[in-house]
Amino acid sequence: GDSVTQMEGPVTLSEEAFLTINCTYTATGYPSLFWYVQYPGEGLQLLLKATKADDKGSNKGFEATYRKETTSFHLEKGSVQVSDSAVYFCALTTGRGNNRLAFGKGNQVVVIP
Amino acid sequence: NAGVTQTPKFRVLKTGQSMTLLCAQDMNHEYMYWYRQDPGMGLRLIHYSVGEGTTAKGEVPDGYNVSRLKKQNFLLGLESAAPSQTSVYFCASSVGSTKLFFGSGTQLSVL
Repeated sequence: GDSVTQMEGPVTLSEEAFLTINCTYTATGYPSLFWYVQYPGEGLQLLLKATKADDKGSNKGFEATYRKETTSFHLEKGSVQVSDSAVYFCALTTGRGNNRLAFGKGNQVVVIP
Repeated sequence: NAGVTQTPKFRVLKTGQSMTLLCAQDMNHEYMYWYRQDPGMGLRLIHYSVGEGTTAKGEVPDGYNVSRLKKQNFLLGLESAAPSQTSVYFCASSVGSTKLFFGSGTQLSVL
């Protein structure tokens, strides 16, 4: 079935460092891709999305490009802040009458001052 | 702006007890979902609904039942709680399948 795979383990980095979180997907058809973020004690919220190949989603300084050739949707931010500490989830939906999202396992990001 | 509201926020049950988690949304969304979140497992879909009066099974439906009698409410029931159901439960709603709005979660412990 359709699924996403995120890199293993938490990510710890210093303030103003560059952040990359890898996400690859397996899907039949042409999925839409998403990044959701979960701040401590809260539910998930949509961070950005891309609906077709070569689209770039962006929000709050984060970016991710839909790469069909490598089946990837890596999340990047050039200069992280302490307030970016959260859990980040990659997700996809095929959109073919499938109104469900499949989530990756999530990556804990901790930004140290 | 209430959005998606879950009650209760915390609950401790003994094995075999039953309970119902309530989810309410005030955005007139057609789709509603129940997920569970476990360490290292991400979010897994339990049940979902595409409209009032309809429900469908997700990835991990066993041990749970749901009802959507009103468009704004989606109830998740545990008839006989087991320790394996200790988890954080999230409700979500959406218009289509792209942007989900999540509640703040219910932390359930089954002893």
